[in-house]
Amino acid sequence: AQTVTQSQPEMSVQEAETVTLSCTYDTSESDYYLFWYKQPPSRQMILVIRQEAYKQQNATENRFSVNFQKAAKSFSLKISDSQLGDAAMYFCAYRSARGETSGSRLTFGEGTQLTVNP
Amino acid sequence: NAGVMQNPRHLVRRRGQEARLRCSPMKGHSHVYWYRQLPEEGLKFMVYLQKENIIDESGMPKERFSAEFPKEGPSILRIQQVVRGDSAAYFCASSSRHGGPDTQYFGPGTRLTVL
Repeated sequence: AQTVTQSQPEMSVQEAETVTLSCTYDTSESDYYLFWYKQPPSRQMILVIRQEAYKQQNATENRFSVNFQKAAKSFSLKISDSQLGDAAMYFCAYRSARGETSGSRLTFGEGTQLTVNP
Repeated sequence: NAGVMQNPRHLVRRRGQEARLRCSPMKGHSHVYWYRQLPEEGLKFMVYLQKENIIDESGMPKERFSAEFPKEGPSILRIQQVVRGDSAAYFCASSSRHGGPDTQYFGPGTRLTVL
């Protein structure tokens, strides 16, 4: 079974600064997808960014980018120019690329609570 | 294009009662997933359904929990004889196809409180 680990329960960053959230995962599969979701106080789960494991290029979405290290099974999220609205719980998630059943569920980490200080 | 809808947003039940949680997927989506988030924890997969079919229920507790996604109408997560340990946020997600890079879009969740 796959597992996702987020070793930082809490992180804080000054507004306009850069912060990196860590995520590692364990899998025996070679083809899979990785995601970062954001959960603000409203509790809504919002997709931030996704990465296909077969792609070597790191995904980027505006101020959000990832550092995907497949051999190390690491998938960190970098937030540049942090804004007050970035304050939220961030979850890393894994999804297998195989099959109709196990290839659909998301496996989440325990989350990192990000605080943005003005 | 409306997003994933869940209702009710908040549900209070006494121990032993039944809880019914509803999820309407995004328009054009035929794949529905249910996840549970216990306090201070990440989301845990419960069940994956397509119209009239349960595809993967490996995350569902063996007793008291059931799910359906009928040909017409929303998906329903049903919890019979609720206990305090069922208190959690229940999230529904939908996608247009299984697997692949296709994104699962989440609803706002239903927060269940069992007294």
